[in-house]
Amino acid sequence: DTAVSQTPKYLVTQMGNDKSIKCEQNLGHDTMYWYKQDSKKFLKIMFSYNNKELIINETVPNRFSPKSPDKAHLNLHINSLELGDSAVYFCASSQEGTGGVEQYFGPGTRLTVT
Amino acid sequence: QKEVEQDPGPLSVPEGAIVSLNCTYSNSAFQYFMWYRQYSRKGPELLMYTYSSGNKEDGRFTAQVDKSSKYISLFIRDSQPSDSATYLCATTRGNQFYFGTGTSLTVIP
Repeated sequence: DTAVSQTPKYLVTQMGNDKSIKCEQNLGHDTMYWYKQDSKKFLKIMFSYNNKELIINETVPNRFSPKSPDKAHLNLHINSLELGDSAVYFCASSQEGTGGVEQYFGPGTRLTVT
Repeated sequence: QKEVEQDPGPLSVPEGAIVSLNCTYSNSAFQYFMWYRQYSRKGPELLMYTYSSGNKEDGRFTAQVDKSSKYISLFIRDSQPSDSATYLCATTRGNQFYFGTGTSLTVIP
């Protein structure tokens, strides 16, 4: 069974569109994250979220918004997509209390904006 | 200055070689140091982590942290072709996580 899953795996869309990426974890973890990995493999955290707190990286544009329907899901919604949003987006999860040190990553969603 | 700096490589070694992967970090307040392995078109997977200074060993892998020089190392003994991947160092402070850009490693049979 996949621990952290994401859909879709690939997403090609045009500038200006709104899109969502879904993430689910079946590990029973309390904290979930979204990361962006650019073409140079640089992995940058965008959000961390548990049922108490949403931590937003201050460099993330407000076009990006995480939405969590329940503890096992953290979806990423992106408004008004731009060319620079093209990247691989990874969801991850960890158990609260571990300081987020042991994170389990999903397989990634490759977003291409044309 | 980035919080974590890592030589991107690429690094190519023959099978059986000892591999040394290194990072430096900027903030002495960082306490946890992690190494992730990422295969092509896959998500990163945690290999091991250390707290503060010292060594930690797990099979063929040894992680080392030198806080006096702000230096993080990962050693791979008896490297195998299956070790070919990108290795990412990372550190954390509070709710912030910082990753290096990764070192691409190829182990040649």
